[in-house]
Amino acid sequence: DIHLTQSPSSLSASVGDRVTITCRASQSIRFYLNWYQQKLGKAPNLLIYAASSLQSGVPSRFSGSGSGTDFTLTISSLQPEDFATYYCQQSYSTPFTFGQGTRLEIK
Amino acid sequence: EVQLGESGGGLVQPGGSLRLSCAASGFTFSGYWMHWVRQAPGKGLVWVSRINSDGSSTTYADSVTGRFTISRDNAKNTLYLQMNSLRAEDTAVYYCARVSGIYDTSGYYVDYWGQGTLVTVSS
Repeated sequence: DIHLTQSPSSLSASVGDRVTITCRASQSIRFYLNWYQQKLGKAPNLLIYAASSLQSGVPSRFSGSGSGTDFTLTISSLQPEDFATYYCQQSYSTPFTFGQGTRLEIK
Repeated sequence: EVQLGESGGGLVQPGGSLRLSCAASGFTFSGYWMHWVRQAPGKGLVWVSRINSDGSSTTYADSVTGRFTISRDNAKNTLYLQMNSLRAEDTAVYYCARVSGIYDTSGYYVDYWGQGTLVTVSS
């Protein structure tokens, strides 16, 4: 199975900050990496697919990059509604594993 | 509007069985692969199973292989997860998920999720 490691596991930041979350795969997964946002008690929401493609309706302050084993999710200017938990997921091969999550908290 | 609605969760004893359903609407259900993803209380997301658009191909996580069965009824626009030999570690919110994308160009991704149904395995 492909293991995904997110860093950091938790992060405190302020409104307006630029934030970067990293996802590292245990083997090359080319561009097969998605990012989701999950708010407490809610289902996840797709932000980025194929490493860098912005899902329709997602604000442009979210961006993704990377290929192979190293990927990043960047939020260019944090908004109050962005405080949530973020997960990466690979779709290179089954099982379609998720990272352990990064909890983004208000400083 | 795409909607996915899970049902069938509840409290079950270890070793028991439960069948989850996911009613789909607002899209051509028979044209999409579907997945189940679960989340234990306070924990992260875990992929469980997938089924192709016509139900002829299924895949499972090792942790549920031989105990869970995914299926679908395209005439009823409904996805199922039959869970047998349940264990305490199966306790989780179970989400059904619509998958989009083309493997060679965009990969697969979940673009719509249900609200989830809680399964609790306890004596």
